[in-house]
Amino acid sequence: DAGVIQSPRHEVTEMGQEVTLRCKPISGHNSLFWYRQTMMRGLELLIYFNNNVPIDDSGMPEDRFSAKMPNASFSTLKIQPSEPRDSAVYFCASRVYWGLPGQGLYYGYTFGSGTRLTVV
Amino acid sequence: QQQVKQSPQSLIVQKGGISIINCAYENTAFDYFPWYQQFPGKGPALLIAIRPDVSEKKEGRFTISFNKSAKQFSLHIMDSQPGDSATYFCAASMSGAGSYQLTFGKGTKLSVIP
Repeated sequence: DAGVIQSPRHEVTEMGQEVTLRCKPISGHNSLFWYRQTMMRGLELLIYFNNNVPIDDSGMPEDRFSAKMPNASFSTLKIQPSEPRDSAVYFCASRVYWGLPGQGLYYGYTFGSGTRLTVV
Repeated sequence: QQQVKQSPQSLIVQKGGISIINCAYENTAFDYFPWYQQFPGKGPALLIAIRPDVSEKKEGRFTISFNKSAKQFSLHIMDSQPGDSATYFCAASMSGAGSYQLTFGKGTKLSVIP
């Protein structure tokens, strides 16, 4: 199991340019989440998908941000045009469930290693 | 509105000591409380989780204590080791409507010194 794979690991771009971040979730996980992490705001949920369908994109900061999941094994987060305030680490995560006897359903997110985006 | 408040922001503990990180939540509909551990350059990884029908859950040196009436839960790391130095996030979610979205605290940077 290769885990959640994100690319690129680092991205430096100029203000105004289009940026595309990519994610390959764990095979068989049917939910995918995009998070943004900054020192000031911590981990913020941007959007999540269930079975490739966007369920909640209320965390997407502006129309400059868009996300797609064309199939179960691939998702993209696009920023167009990018701005310096978009600089952050962007994480993709997929979700796994398991049950414990007498304790109900447990679930955990498996995060990728993130993409560190710097917009100059 | 921050729904999960985490403290302290940073923590320094001697090797062998007990590390304690606290979280408080507001939404009484939350019914699942995991803790995540993040090392530099890596994504957060699930450490331990609890449901509110139990007051404590222990896995090795890591224990979650849960106080439903106070709407608080905490992570205790016994016999802290330098390898435990990381950022720890508490989180909460509700299972209604099938969303299971996690709301994270802002994190605690733990440093365990020899």
